[in-house]
Amino acid sequence: GAVVSQHPSWVICKSGTSVKIECRSLDFQATTMFWYRQFPKQSLMLMATSNEGSKATYEQGVEKDKFLINHASLTLSTLTVTSAHPEDSSFYICSARRLAGYSYEQYFGPGTRLTVT
Amino acid sequence: TQLLEQSPQFLSIQEGENLTVYCNSSSVFSSLQWYRQEPGEGPVLLVTVVTGGEVKKLKRLTFQFGDARKDSSLHITAAQTGDTGLYLCAGARAGGTSYGKLTFGQGTILTVHP
Repeated sequence: GAVVSQHPSWVICKSGTSVKIECRSLDFQATTMFWYRQFPKQSLMLMATSNEGSKATYEQGVEKDKFLINHASLTLSTLTVTSAHPEDSSFYICSARRLAGYSYEQYFGPGTRLTVT
Repeated sequence: TQLLEQSPQFLSIQEGENLTVYCNSSSVFSSLQWYRQEPGEGPVLLVTVVTGGEVKKLKRLTFQFGDARKDSSLHITAAQTGDTGLYLCAGARAGGTSYGKLTFGQGTILTVHP
Protein backbone atom coordinates (compact mmCIF):
# COMPACT_ATOMS: atom_id res chain seq x y z
CA GLY A 1 0.00 0.00 0.00
CA ALA A 2 0.90 3.65 -0.25
CA VAL A 3 2.98 5.20 2.52
CA VAL A 4 2.42 8.62 4.01
CA SER A 5 4.61 10.02 6.75
CA GLN A 6 4.10 12.88 9.16
CA HIS A 7 6.59 14.82 11.19
CA PRO A 8 6.74 15.37 14.04
CA SER A 9 4.68 12.61 15.62
CA TRP A 10 4.14 14.75 18.67
CA VAL A 11 4.99 18.30 19.67
CA ILE A 12 4.53 20.45 22.75
CA CYS A 13 4.64 24.19 22.31
CA LYS A 14 3.91 27.29 24.33
CA SER A 15 0.86 29.41 23.75
CA GLY A 16 1.50 32.08 21.12
CA THR A 17 4.14 30.20 19.18
CA SER A 18 3.78 28.59 15.77
CA VAL A 19 4.18 24.94 14.89
CA LYS A 20 4.78 23.37 11.49
CA ILE A 21 3.68 19.83 10.66
CA GLU A 22 4.95 18.06 7.55
CA CYS A 23 3.12 15.46 5.51
CA ARG A 24 4.96 13.45 2.89
CA SER A 25 3.83 10.83 0.41
CA LEU A 26 6.81 8.51 0.27
CA ASP A 27 6.12 6.25 -2.69
CA PHE A 28 3.72 8.16 -4.90
CA GLN A 29 3.05 11.69 -6.06
CA ALA A 30 0.05 13.43 -4.60
CA THR A 31 -1.36 16.52 -6.23
CA THR A 32 -3.97 16.61 -3.50
CA MET A 33 -3.53 16.13 0.20
CA PHE A 34 -5.97 16.68 3.02
CA TRP A 35 -5.60 17.86 6.58
CA TYR A 36 -7.86 16.56 9.31
CA ARG A 37 -8.31 17.14 12.99
CA GLN A 38 -9.47 14.45 15.37
CA PHE A 39 -10.69 14.64 18.96
CA PRO A 40 -10.47 11.64 21.30
CA LYS A 41 -12.75 8.77 20.35
CA GLN A 42 -14.28 10.78 17.55
CA SER A 43 -14.21 10.66 13.80
CA LEU A 44 -12.04 12.80 11.56
CA MET A 45 -12.97 16.39 10.78
CA LEU A 46 -11.71 17.72 7.45
CA MET A 47 -9.96 21.05 7.85
CA ALA A 48 -8.67 21.80 4.38
CA THR A 49 -7.70 20.46 0.99
CA SER A 50 -4.11 21.07 -0.03
CA ASN A 51 -3.50 21.38 -3.77
CA GLU A 52 -0.01 21.27 -5.23
CA GLY A 53 0.93 24.60 -6.74
CA SER A 54 -2.22 26.42 -5.70
CA LYS A 55 -3.98 27.77 -2.66
CA ALA A 56 -5.55 25.42 -0.19
CA THR A 57 -9.31 25.32 0.15
CA TYR A 58 -10.61 25.44 3.69
CA GLU A 59 -13.74 23.94 5.17
CA GLN A 60 -16.33 26.20 6.68
CA GLY A 61 -15.32 27.45 10.10
CA VAL A 62 -11.60 26.79 9.69
CA GLU A 63 -9.48 29.94 9.91
CA LYS A 64 -7.12 30.03 6.95
CA ASP A 65 -4.88 32.64 8.60
CA LYS A 66 -4.45 30.44 11.62
CA PHE A 67 -3.89 27.15 9.81
CA LEU A 68 -1.48 27.92 6.99
CA ILE A 69 -1.11 25.23 4.36
CA ASN A 70 1.63 25.00 1.77
CA HIS A 71 1.85 22.28 -0.88
CA ALA A 72 5.06 23.17 -2.66
CA SER A 73 5.82 19.80 -4.22
CA LEU A 74 4.04 16.65 -5.29
CA THR A 75 5.19 14.82 -2.18
CA LEU A 76 5.06 17.43 0.56
CA SER A 77 2.35 19.47 2.25
CA THR A 78 2.83 21.45 5.42
CA LEU A 79 0.38 22.72 8.00
CA THR A 80 1.48 25.58 10.21
CA VAL A 81 -0.57 26.35 13.29
CA THR A 82 0.11 30.02 13.94
CA SER A 83 -0.16 31.69 17.33
CA ALA A 84 -1.20 28.42 18.89
CA HIS A 85 -3.55 28.37 21.85
CA PRO A 86 -4.48 25.52 24.20
CA GLU A 87 -7.74 24.96 22.30
CA ASP A 88 -5.64 24.08 19.24
CA SER A 89 -4.35 21.02 21.09
CA SER A 90 -5.49 18.05 19.09
CA PHE A 91 -4.48 15.13 16.90
CA TYR A 92 -3.77 16.35 13.37
CA ILE A 93 -3.75 13.84 10.54
CA CYS A 94 -2.93 14.31 6.88
CA SER A 95 -3.83 12.13 3.95
CA ALA A 96 -2.62 11.90 0.39
CA ARG A 97 -4.92 11.02 -2.45
CA ARG A 98 -3.97 8.49 -5.08
CA LEU A 99 -5.85 7.29 -8.13
CA ALA A 100 -6.60 3.57 -7.87
CA GLY A 101 -8.33 2.23 -10.93
CA TYR A 102 -11.35 4.42 -11.51
CA SER A 103 -11.55 5.82 -7.99
CA TYR A 104 -9.41 7.82 -5.63
CA GLU A 105 -8.13 6.38 -2.39
CA GLN A 106 -6.79 8.33 0.55
CA TYR A 107 -3.83 7.11 2.54
CA PHE A 108 -3.30 8.59 5.95
CA GLY A 109 -0.23 9.60 7.84
CA PRO A 110 0.34 8.42 11.42
CA GLY A 111 -0.83 11.72 12.87
CA THR A 112 0.73 14.48 14.95
CA ARG A 113 -0.27 15.04 18.56
CA LEU A 114 -0.09 18.77 19.29
CA THR A 115 -0.20 19.99 22.87
CA VAL A 116 -0.23 23.73 23.51
CA THR A 117 0.62 24.76 27.05
CA THR B 1 -24.25 18.37 2.89
CA GLN B 2 -23.70 14.65 2.45
CA LEU B 3 -23.98 12.84 5.76
CA LEU B 4 -22.90 9.32 6.51
CA GLU B 5 -24.60 7.74 9.50
CA GLN B 6 -22.51 5.00 11.05
CA SER B 7 -23.83 2.56 13.63
CA PRO B 8 -23.39 1.37 16.21
CA GLN B 9 -21.02 3.89 17.76
CA PHE B 10 -19.83 1.45 20.39
CA LEU B 11 -19.62 -2.31 20.24
CA SER B 12 -18.32 -4.55 23.00
CA ILE B 13 -18.28 -8.26 22.27
CA GLN B 14 -16.59 -11.50 23.24
CA GLU B 15 -13.96 -13.15 21.14
CA GLY B 16 -15.53 -15.50 18.60
CA GLU B 17 -18.71 -13.49 18.11
CA ASN B 18 -19.81 -12.00 14.82
CA LEU B 19 -20.66 -8.34 14.29
CA THR B 20 -21.86 -5.94 11.64
CA VAL B 21 -21.24 -2.22 11.32
CA TYR B 22 -23.48 -0.13 9.09
CA CYS B 23 -23.03 3.10 7.19
CA ASN B 24 -26.07 4.77 5.66
CA SER B 25 -26.66 7.90 3.69
CA SER B 26 -29.36 9.52 1.62
CA SER B 27 -26.70 10.55 -0.89
CA VAL B 28 -24.91 8.59 -3.53
CA PHE B 29 -21.17 8.13 -3.26
CA SER B 30 -18.80 7.35 -6.11
CA SER B 31 -16.91 4.99 -3.82
CA LEU B 32 -16.76 4.06 -0.18
CA GLN B 33 -13.75 3.25 1.91
CA TRP B 34 -13.41 1.48 5.24
CA TYR B 35 -10.59 2.27 7.62
CA ARG B 36 -9.37 0.89 10.93
CA GLN B 37 -7.61 3.14 13.37
CA GLU B 38 -5.73 2.34 16.57
CA PRO B 39 -5.17 4.92 19.33
CA GLY B 40 -2.46 7.43 18.50
CA GLU B 41 -2.14 6.29 14.91
CA GLY B 42 -3.60 7.29 11.57
CA PRO B 43 -6.42 5.34 9.90
CA VAL B 44 -5.35 2.38 7.79
CA LEU B 45 -7.27 1.69 4.61
CA LEU B 46 -8.95 -1.72 4.66
CA VAL B 47 -10.93 -1.69 1.43
CA THR B 48 -12.51 0.47 -1.25
CA VAL B 49 -15.83 -0.49 -2.82
CA VAL B 50 -16.88 1.18 -6.02
CA THR B 51 -19.66 -0.75 -7.73
CA GLY B 52 -23.22 -0.94 -6.43
CA GLY B 53 -23.83 -4.37 -4.91
CA GLU B 54 -20.12 -5.10 -4.68
CA VAL B 55 -18.93 -7.51 -2.01
CA LYS B 56 -15.29 -7.73 -0.98
CA LYS B 57 -13.73 -10.10 1.51
CA LEU B 58 -10.59 -9.59 3.50
CA LYS B 59 -10.00 -12.73 5.57
CA ARG B 60 -12.73 -12.60 8.24
CA LEU B 61 -13.99 -9.19 7.12
CA THR B 62 -16.74 -8.86 4.52
CA PHE B 63 -17.57 -5.48 3.03
CA GLN B 64 -20.67 -4.74 1.01
CA PHE B 65 -21.67 -1.67 -0.99
CA GLY B 66 -25.38 -1.11 -1.41
CA ASP B 67 -26.97 -1.43 -4.84
CA ALA B 68 -27.71 2.30 -4.92
CA ARG B 69 -24.25 3.19 -3.57
CA LYS B 70 -25.81 4.95 -0.59
CA ASP B 71 -24.95 2.47 2.13
CA SER B 72 -22.34 -0.06 3.14
CA SER B 73 -21.71 -2.66 5.77
CA LEU B 74 -18.74 -4.32 7.39
CA HIS B 75 -19.22 -7.81 8.81
CA ILE B 76 -16.59 -9.47 10.96
CA THR B 77 -16.80 -13.20 11.54
CA ALA B 78 -15.38 -14.79 14.69
CA ALA B 79 -13.95 -11.57 16.08
CA GLN B 80 -10.53 -11.64 17.67
CA THR B 81 -8.99 -9.33 20.27
CA GLY B 82 -6.74 -7.97 17.54
CA ASP B 83 -9.82 -6.59 15.78
CA THR B 84 -10.24 -4.03 18.55
CA GLY B 85 -10.09 -0.49 17.24
CA LEU B 86 -11.99 2.39 15.70
CA TYR B 87 -13.64 1.54 12.39
CA LEU B 88 -14.47 4.36 10.04
CA CYS B 89 -16.45 4.38 6.85
CA ALA B 90 -15.86 7.20 4.41
CA GLY B 91 -17.70 8.02 1.24
CA ALA B 92 -16.07 9.79 -1.68
CA ARG B 93 -18.17 12.65 -2.95
CA ALA B 94 -19.35 12.26 -6.47
CA GLY B 95 -18.74 15.62 -8.05
CA GLY B 96 -18.80 19.38 -7.96
CA THR B 97 -16.41 21.36 -5.84
CA SER B 98 -16.27 18.56 -3.27
CA TYR B 99 -15.03 15.97 -5.72
CA GLY B 100 -12.66 13.49 -4.15
CA LYS B 101 -13.25 14.63 -0.57
CA LEU B 102 -14.24 12.02 1.94
CA THR B 103 -17.28 12.23 4.16
CA PHE B 104 -16.61 10.24 7.29
CA GLY B 105 -19.09 8.37 9.44
CA GLN B 106 -19.00 8.93 13.17
CA GLY B 107 -16.91 5.82 13.72
CA THR B 108 -17.49 2.58 15.59
CA ILE B 109 -15.34 1.78 18.59
CA LEU B 110 -15.06 -2.00 18.68
CA THR B 111 -13.77 -3.76 21.76
CA VAL B 112 -13.28 -7.51 21.59
CA HIS B 113 -12.83 -9.16 24.98
CA PRO B 114 -10.87 -12.40 25.38
